Formats: sequence, structure tokens, C-alpha cells
Amino acid sequence: QVQLLQSGTEVKKPGASVKVSCKASGYTFTSYDIEWVRRATGQGPEWIGWMNPNTGRTGFAQKFQGRVTMTWNTSITTAYMELSSLRSDDTAMYYCARYHPVLRNGFDVWGQGTVVTVSS
Amino acid sequence: EIVLTQSPGTLSLSPGERATLSCRASQSVTSNYLAWFQQKPGQAPRLLIYGASSRATGIPDRFSGRGSGTDFTLTISRLETEDFAVYYCHQYGYGRDTFGQGTRLEIK
Repeated sequence: QVQLLQSGTEVKKPGASVKVSCKASGYTFTSYDIEWVRRATGQGPEWIGWMNPNTGRTGFAQKFQGRVTMTWNTSITTAYMELSSLRSDDTAMYYCARYHPVLRNGFDVWGQGTVVTVSS
Repeated sequence: EIVLTQSPGTLSLSPGERATLSCRASQSVTSNYLAWFQQKPGQAPRLLIYGASSRATGIPDRFSGRGSGTDFTLTISRLETEDFAVYYCHQYGYGRDTFGQGTRLEIK
């Protein structure tokens, strides 16, 4: 079945970087964008950005520009989101989700989430 | 950026009742690319509605969405126990996505 499987819990110190992976299965990896969203405790979700493994294009929310990198490895159908210069307010659950850029039928499949804790 | 304001913050209802959740946008949502998600503790979000009114695959027909422009509504016609969760709206499609703060639907 269609699935996005994310990497495990991360604990980082302020100023460090974190790289979260998202392994896709059950569908054609290059047919969908991968979107990244985070949600801090007690807050609504926050969109980080997107990547298209077919066109190579990426796009990021303005607040993350310069601090986020999105990459992928098509041969292993895995997407990566790296966030640098971590601060305590980056502590959140990070999700990947897939999105069809032509059908535009929403983020229909989500990963299980990766807890990222930033603490000294 | 488009700010999505959801109301009420918390909705207390009983199973069998009808729930109406609101999502208001600070400016018109392009092409009505407005989605609704359900999220339960410890689980990933679940897509319910996309394009303001289209149900996602496998979503029961007691869930319905409507609206256009800046005002959108999610209705759950007859609440079942499993429907008590947090609901978020999400505007998408043009690389400047935003989410609402959520409505918590709790059992009365």
C-alpha cells in the first residue's frame, strides 16, 4: 500500500542541523511532490516547503529560506529535509506528505512523523 | 500570506449530533484549494476534504465541505465516537501554504 516512512526521533543542540528522511513506497515516486510540514505542541501545523523529484524544483516558506535544504534519492525513493541553525522553537513533530501537482487533491498520504527536540 | 482563522476553538457535542466547523481566510483562497484534515493524538493527519468540497478516498459521506473565496465550512452530519479529534483547514496549491490553528471537537 502507499506509505511514507520517516526516520526516528532526533535530539539536537541549538545551532546544530537535523536531517529527516521520508521513504516512499507503493506509488511512482516521481509523480508526486513531497511536502514538509511541522507542528509544535499546542500550535497549528506550519508548512515548510516542497520538492518535486521529477522536475528537481523546490520551494520553501519564507521563514525557512536559507535554513532548509530538500534533497532526494530517486533510486531508493527517499526524500530528505535538512534544517540548520536549530533553535529551541524548532522543536516539533515533522511530517512529510505527498501531493499530486496536477490533480491538486490535497496532501493525501502522510508519514508517521519525526520528533525533533532542540535542547541544550 | 493567507491567514486561516478557525472557529470555534473548541466544540463540545454528543455522538449523533451535527458539527459545523468554520475556516475563514484573510484573502480569497485561489481556486478554492482548501482542504480539511483530522488529527488524533499520536497519529498523522488524515485528509478529509480537498478542493473545498471533494471527499478524499475512503472518507465517509457524513463528512462534507463547502464554501468559496474566504469562507469555508466542514460539516459532520452525525457524529460518531471516532470523530472526536482536532480538525485543521489548509490552503494549498501555489507554494505558499498555510494552516489554521485547529478546532478541537470534544465529547460533551
